Amino acid sequence: DIQMTQSPSTLSASVGDSVTITCRASGDIGAWVAWHQQKPGEAPNLLIYKVSLLKSGVPSRFSGSKSGTEFTLTISGLQPDDFATYYCQQYDTYPLTFGGGTKVEIK
Amino acid sequence: EVRLVESGGGLVQPGGSLRLSCVGSGFDFSFYGLNWVRQAPGKGLEWLSFISDRGDTIHYADSVKGRFTVSRDNAGNSLFLHLSGLRVDDTANYYCARTSSWHYVDNWGLGAQVTVSS
Repeated sequence: DIQMTQSPSTLSASVGDSVTITCRASGDIGAWVAWHQQKPGEAPNLLIYKVSLLKSGVPSRFSGSKSGTEFTLTISGLQPDDFATYYCQQYDTYPLTFGGGTKVEIK
Repeated sequence: EVRLVESGGGLVQPGGSLRLSCVGSGFDFSFYGLNWVRQAPGKGLEWLSFISDRGDTIHYADSVKGRFTVSRDNAGNSLFLHLSGLRVDDTANYYCARTSSWHYVDNWGLGAQVTVSS
């Protein structure tokens, strides 16, 4: 099974900051990574798929990138609505696996 | 608008059974694969099961293989998860989630809470 190791688990930042979240895959998964956002008490929502493609309606301050088996989600200029938990997900092979999550908190 | 609405959650005793349902609307249900994903209280997301658009391909996580059974009724736009042999650590919010043609989860349901307790 592919393991997705996500870091950090918690991140404190201020409105306007740029933040980066990383997931490292335990094997080669090509470009088959998605990122989901979850706000407290709500279901997750897809943000990005295939490393860097934004779901329709997702603001352009969200971006994704890849280097080898390391995948990165960057939020450029945090907005109040962005304080949430973020999960990476690999969909190269079953079982699908998620990273452990990164909670982005207000500093 | 794509909508996925789960139902059937509740309180069940250890060793008991439950059937979750998920009704889809706003898209052609029979063209999409579907997943079940759960989230234990205060924890992350755990993928459980996938069923293909026609129901002819099914995958399970090892943690639920042999205890949970996924099925679907395309005529009724419904996805099901039959949970048996329930354990306390199966307590979670259970989401149905649509799979895109590229196999990433592109839409999530609202979730159904399952609590396993004596």
